[in-house]
Amino acid sequence: EVQLVESGGGLVQPGGSLRLSCAASGFTFSSCWMSWVRQVPGTGLEWLAYIKQDGSEKYYVDSVKGRFTISRDNAKNSLFLEMNSLRAEDTAVYYCARGDYWARYFESWGQGTLVTVSS
Amino acid sequence: EIVLTQSPATLSLSPGERATLSCRASQSVTNYLAWYQQKPGQAPRLLIYDASNRATGIPARFSGSGSGTDFTLTISSLEPEDFAVYYCQQRSNWPPTYTFGQGTKLEIK
Repeated sequence: EVQLVESGGGLVQPGGSLRLSCAASGFTFSSCWMSWVRQVPGTGLEWLAYIKQDGSEKYYVDSVKGRFTISRDNAKNSLFLEMNSLRAEDTAVYYCARGDYWARYFESWGQGTLVTVSS
Repeated sequence: EIVLTQSPATLSLSPGERATLSCRASQSVTNYLAWYQQKPGQAPRLLIYDASNRATGIPARFSGSGSGTDFTLTISSLEPEDFAVYYCQQRSNWPPTYTFGQGTKLEIK
């Protein structure tokens, strides 16, 4: 069974940093591209970042470029999102998601971790 | 950037009725469009990919159609568990970026 378990969320002050993790199991992690998607409570979904299977390519939505960094450790079946210079508008539930073979869609999702940016 | 516009924002129907949800793209996405279902407190779940293919384990009452800029998700006969929010999603070719529609809330009438 595919499982994605996010962790690392919590309360952080504006301007602060946080590192999210996603532990993957039930599939060959190193063969899958991965993404982070977030959702402000009560609103829609926003894709944030994508990382290729070997980590050689990374892409970001404009709103987080230069502030967020996606990375992975295939030996540990883990995905990460380093978030810096956090703003109130970054408050959201953050999901990690596994992509399909063609990197077009999100086949599996974690349960999400809540990040709250507030003083 | 391709914008996806979903309509209606809210759809009120009764169990057993047919639901038709729309997603319009600001430019052609050929047939590279997906639909997701999200229930309160849960992560989204992939329902339909490539506009018309059901994902693994998705009941046959869910179907997708369309190509180019206009897409439809149809639920043939609503079950109580189908009341949720539905999102469409596409990927731009290059660079690979992903956008979602704003969602349609399917609520019990």
